[in-house]
Amino acid sequence: QQQVKQSPQSLIVQKGGISIINCAYENTAFDYFPWYQQFPGKGPALLIAIRPDVSEKKEGRFTISFNKSAKQFSLHIMDSQPGDSATYFCAASSSRQLTFGSGTQLTVLP
Amino acid sequence: GAGVSQSPSNKVTEKGKDVELRCDPISGHTALYWYRQSLGQGLEFLIYFQGNSAPDKSGLPSDRFSAERTGGSVSTLTIQRTQQEDSAVYLCASSLASSSNQPQHFGDGTRLSIL
Repeated sequence: QQQVKQSPQSLIVQKGGISIINCAYENTAFDYFPWYQQFPGKGPALLIAIRPDVSEKKEGRFTISFNKSAKQFSLHIMDSQPGDSATYFCAASSSRQLTFGSGTQLTVLP
Repeated sequence: GAGVSQSPSNKVTEKGKDVELRCDPISGHTALYWYRQSLGQGLEFLIYFQGNSAPDKSGLPSDRFSAERTGGSVSTLTIQRTQQEDSAVYLCASSLASSSNQPQHFGDGTRLSIL
């Protein structure tokens, strides 16, 4: 049973635009929600993470919005750049291992 | 400092052969994880080690899969009698501790192809 649902599967935005990726979870025991960025041939790299007691976290152009009651969280990439083109994974954890979403392939057009 | 190192980066083998994949975690990281990334299944947890505690093997897909962690550092994932469905990228991650809010840092993986 998939515990973290991610959408969209793919996303194309223009340079300078806002990229938004959404995730929803089912397990209310999850207490840590990281986002990973992955380039082809590389392992996932931690981008930003949030705890459920915070509704928003911003680091540079990247913002996580978290809605505990709806069990949803999202990644916003402001002023998207071609170098942001990659696959993005949301994840959730309650103790040890991460449960990942299915990934979003982001393409930022120059 | 050095990140998580995995070897080999690519492995091609025939169906039925055994393979060993190696992971060197970040120095000082006590927790080590193996994940599998495949087109159909996304990123799946396989096994986790924390210090000298018994590993959590709950994600291993079959008894053909096993892993060891020697001396609390290097880990080896072994797949016996490989099948074509074992073809995937095997990723290793490490973290300072096993609590949920410790960032996991990933290696670049071993791409395994079973002919």
